Amino acid sequence: DSGVTQTPKHLITATGQRVTLRCSPRSGDLSVYWYQQSLDQGLQFLIHYYNGEERAKGNILERFSAQQFPDLHSELNLSSLELGDSALYFCASSDRDRGTLHFGNGTRLTVT
Amino acid sequence: AQSVAQPEDQVNVAEGNPLTVKCTYSVSGNPYLFWYVQYPNRGLQFLLKYITGDNLVKGSYGFEAEFNKSQTSFHLKKPSALVSDSALYFCAVRDEWRNRDDKIIFGKGTRLHILP
Repeated sequence: DSGVTQTPKHLITATGQRVTLRCSPRSGDLSVYWYQQSLDQGLQFLIHYYNGEERAKGNILERFSAQQFPDLHSELNLSSLELGDSALYFCASSDRDRGTLHFGNGTRLTVT
Repeated sequence: AQSVAQPEDQVNVAEGNPLTVKCTYSVSGNPYLFWYVQYPNRGLQFLLKYITGDNLVKGSYGFEAEFNKSQTSFHLKKPSALVSDSALYFCAVRDEWRNRDDKIIFGKGTRLHILP
């Protein structure tokens, strides 16, 4: 058990809808990273938050947004969903200085 | 911008033989390098990392990796493969000179098949 909790485990929704994915980092970790994993794209970096502040952005679509709250949990919001957004979304936390990531088990999003 | 390449989508090795999974990287400053493994329907698990020091890094489950600065490579190795090593392996890099762009980039992954 990595200590990182992601909810929900599975999500099935229709095109055009909006969903929120939630991540609770390991106790004491201030950094939260979000990644998207699809079959042909590997693991794509979306965004990194550190102690509530955005630290880096990757290839994150404008329809996607994220935030990290004062209790350090993070949410990834996906809106105007398209079929191509179907993927596994991973959250990972780390102690920022060394960068070792601890991954949750992911949320599998299916857009129909 | 930093990047990682894993040139092989799949590697097949007979059980008991040595295995190598290749990784090359590109960063502006000094690299922090990582290997992770993913089993089916699970998140990624940390195997090992290179930050500084000895170029040969030892990690979990008998894996090791060799940092080669001149070739900008960080290949994952194991002297004797087990069937249970079959999984998806990811190399990742973080740039030491990350300033305001602090991210960890992953390669596309290499699927390792250990044949009994």
